[in-house]
Amino acid sequence: EAGVAQSPRYKIIEKRQSVAFWCNPISGHATLYWYQQILGQGPKLLIQFQNNGVVDDSQLPKDRFSAERLKGVDSTLKIQPAKLEDSAVYLCASSLVGGQGANYGYTFGSGTRLTVV
Amino acid sequence: EDKVVQSPLSLVVHEGDTVTLNCSYEVTNFRSLLWYKQEKKAPTFLFMLTSSGIEKKSGRLSSILDKKELFSILNITATQTGDSAIYLCAVGNNYGQNFVFGPGTRLSVLP
Repeated sequence: EAGVAQSPRYKIIEKRQSVAFWCNPISGHATLYWYQQILGQGPKLLIQFQNNGVVDDSQLPKDRFSAERLKGVDSTLKIQPAKLEDSAVYLCASSLVGGQGANYGYTFGSGTRLTVV
Repeated sequence: EDKVVQSPLSLVVHEGDTVTLNCSYEVTNFRSLLWYKQEKKAPTFLFMLTSSGIEKKSGRLSSILDKKELFSILNITATQTGDSAIYLCAVGNNYGQNFVFGPGTRLSVLP
């Protein structure tokens, strides 16, 4: 089966510019996650979608970050305006189902490395 | 707030050595613990642990969970240079399917 696809792989922007990342999950996976991984740290959840609805966005900095998952398949994550501290790898992951009772982990994409200068 | 701690944060060994990586956690209503290997960008799944005392094995890697003492270990025997990576531990609770990740252990295996 094809994996989780993300693009672009790398992005360098100046602070205060905007940027968007794209994710295509594994076919049939209802749940999609965006994680931010700052160098030297573990991934931190930004937002979790179940189909096209948001399950958890409690750690998403909503003043500058936004995400959508139209039609419950692909997703985009946007940062506007970017700050230096947004430099990180942005990982997308997907799984078959979400919520209580699920008994497996999920599959990550290769990520997008963002550098804000 | 759920919390995952890993130790050591960094480890350098020589090929053939055996290593033990540690993961301790505090989580409300624990459901499962995952181990991932991250070589470049995408973490790849290694193990999922839900029950205490049952060892999971895959080749030279093995892992076990202690739900009473709230920790897990990941063992790698006869290490190879290809084992060099960051090993991430993540814990999930019964309230949802997202997982809280630890900071990872960076393992370097020298020839």
